[in-house]
Amino acid sequence: DAGITQSPRHKVTETGTPVTLRCHQTENHRYMYWYRQDPGHGLRLIHYSYGVKDTDKGEVSDGYSVSRSKTEDFLLTLESATSSQTSVYFCAISEYRDRATYNSPLHFGNGTRLTVT
Amino acid sequence: DAKTTQPTSMDCAEGRAANLPCNHSTISGNEYVYWYRQIHSQGPQYIIHGLKNNETNEMASLIITEDRKSSTLILPHATLRDTAVYYCIEGSQGNLIFGKGTKLSVKP
Repeated sequence: DAGITQSPRHKVTETGTPVTLRCHQTENHRYMYWYRQDPGHGLRLIHYSYGVKDTDKGEVSDGYSVSRSKTEDFLLTLESATSSQTSVYFCAISEYRDRATYNSPLHFGNGTRLTVT
Repeated sequence: DAKTTQPTSMDCAEGRAANLPCNHSTISGNEYVYWYRQIHSQGPQYIIHGLKNNETNEMASLIITEDRKSSTLILPHATLRDTAVYYCIEGSQGNLIFGKGTKLSVKP
């Protein structure tokens, strides 16, 4: 498996509290992604990063922010958690060094199960 | 929304080939086709990807039609452990949108 660690693996929090999920990789890959997965919706892209301090929004970015201060870490923050953000969150990485690796596949972590009560 | 179309579910007998179809009629010239699978609640697992030529690796084969509007993932000898949801995706870095996939059930 690709060297991806998500923490925490499980978290229960209350509505209105801030939450930060961490994704750590040991592969030195350039691209990192945050997806959420909900029944009936499949995997949906929240944000992604194409380098240190370079991030962009995905299809469901409202209510989320991200930061990438180091190649190996990509943080997802819910500034004020809501019950609609109860989900399983997956981090993914992919390699992009040059044109030959531009379409390298994603490799996923094992997910963080977040419950907002 | 996802740009690919897959059957919701399929069954396959253990030991037989599993052929999973996917339509991606809006694929652009520089977009690849990727296949992933997800077993129970684990993270999605990469299987194979291709641009226009057929591809094979230790897990599966990918057959892409000449017009690139559809593809088929082939698991040559399905086992019970291949029971999973299989996702077909077209796209490129930063633009991989997952659909709901095909739930493949491999039966003894």
